[in-house]
Amino acid sequence: NAGVTQTPKFQVLKTGQSMTLQCAQDMNHEYMSWYRQDPGMGLRLIHYSVGAGITDQGEVPNGYNVSRSTTEDFPLRLLSAAPSQTSVYFCASSYLQSSYEQYFGPGTRLTVT
Amino acid sequence: AQSVTQPDIHITVSEGASLELRCNYSYGATPYLFWYVQSPGQGLQLLLKYFSGDTLVQGIKGFEAEFKRSQSSFNLRKPSVHWSDAAEYFCASNFGNEKLTFGTGTRLTIIP
Repeated sequence: NAGVTQTPKFQVLKTGQSMTLQCAQDMNHEYMSWYRQDPGMGLRLIHYSVGAGITDQGEVPNGYNVSRSTTEDFPLRLLSAAPSQTSVYFCASSYLQSSYEQYFGPGTRLTVT
Repeated sequence: AQSVTQPDIHITVSEGASLELRCNYSYGATPYLFWYVQSPGQGLQLLLKYFSGDTLVQGIKGFEAEFKRSQSSFNLRKPSVHWSDAAEYFCASNFGNEKLTFGTGTRLTIIP
């Protein structure tokens, strides 16, 4: 079991560029989510999904898109990167009936210049 | 508004000393409450959880937490810390839905 994997680990973008952060899990979890972590602000939910084909917005969704075509994958897209999106991004997954017990990936550190 | 508050940004304790990290919540009912730990450069790991019943819950790595309804608190404790406990600790709740709301975290430093 690889658990939750995220790629890349580090990324530097210029303002206005687009990119996709990849997230995959091999635990057959229904629930997947994306958080951003910023100093002094804890983790804030960006988007989440309760199953393939179903996504919803979290606390800070602006500037980010998601889709869930398979149970395993939940990519996060930045369409036009801004310096305010400089952050560490974590993907997490869980069984829907125990969505509190989320398994986290190792994170992607993104810098937008 | 529903929220989780961790009033201590940074705590330093000596190795072998006891530890208490504070967490308060704001919610009209009793929420489900959790503590997560984040080691440097890593994702988060669940330490323990409270749903109902016994207000003192045991977790992994020798941690425990006590739910106090009267104080809207869920403080994390450990009788004797080890250098490997140095990490950031997050209190969280899901306030009756599937989404987790995290506190801002407490960074724990251990001095020899």
